[in-house]
Amino acid sequence: QKEVEQNSGPLSVPEGAIASLNCTYSDRGSQSFFWYRQYSGKSPELIMFIYSNGDKEDGRFTAQLNKASQYVSLLIRDSQPSDSATYLCAVDGGSNYKLTFGKGTLLTVNP
Amino acid sequence: NAGVMQNPRHLVRRRGQEARLRCSPMKGHSHVYWYRQLPEEGLKFMVYLQKENIIDESGMPKERFSAEFPKEGPSILRIQQVVRGDSAAYFCASYAGSDTDTQYFGPGTRLTVL
Repeated sequence: QKEVEQNSGPLSVPEGAIASLNCTYSDRGSQSFFWYRQYSGKSPELIMFIYSNGDKEDGRFTAQLNKASQYVSLLIRDSQPSDSATYLCAVDGGSNYKLTFGKGTLLTVNP
Repeated sequence: NAGVMQNPRHLVRRRGQEARLRCSPMKGHSHVYWYRQLPEEGLKFMVYLQKENIIDESGMPKERFSAEFPKEGPSILRIQQVVRGDSAAYFCASYAGSDTDTQYFGPGTRLTVL
């Protein structure tokens, strides 16, 4: 059974701070890693994907991947109240590209 | 993603009725995935379809659930004889099929079983 675990949260940070979201996965054969943001009552929205070890930056977001440790993280710099949402980590095991999701971490950014 | 269409957005059924959920993928996408999100749970893969073929249904409950993606028209997830435990948000995601692409989610159908 492939599993994806996320820090349970909820996570609360002040506006302007760095929010750090973590995720581990069980399947060493996993190829691609995704972070989705989901506002309450809405559908998941892709924020970033990462395939290779190391860091990938996109604006205020940085994804970090360490395949040896089976660990992927998302850093949000200069957090804004509009970043308040549930963040879902998803892993693609390479078989039919179906995604395995973690349960999500609820982030609240306080003004 | 606004390009993936799902309807209805909200569906209320009584126990024992049938629910039909529709998904039209983004233009140019021929791969459709269905996921279910139970309250307070993460998304769970249900089924993966390409036009006229079920590729992977390993996440589908063995009974009452079926899915299709005909040559013409939307993909349909069908739940027969619904029970209260089927109440959830059902999301469809479409995918172009390229290694460099990713899945884009529709707005979801929120099913409530009374």
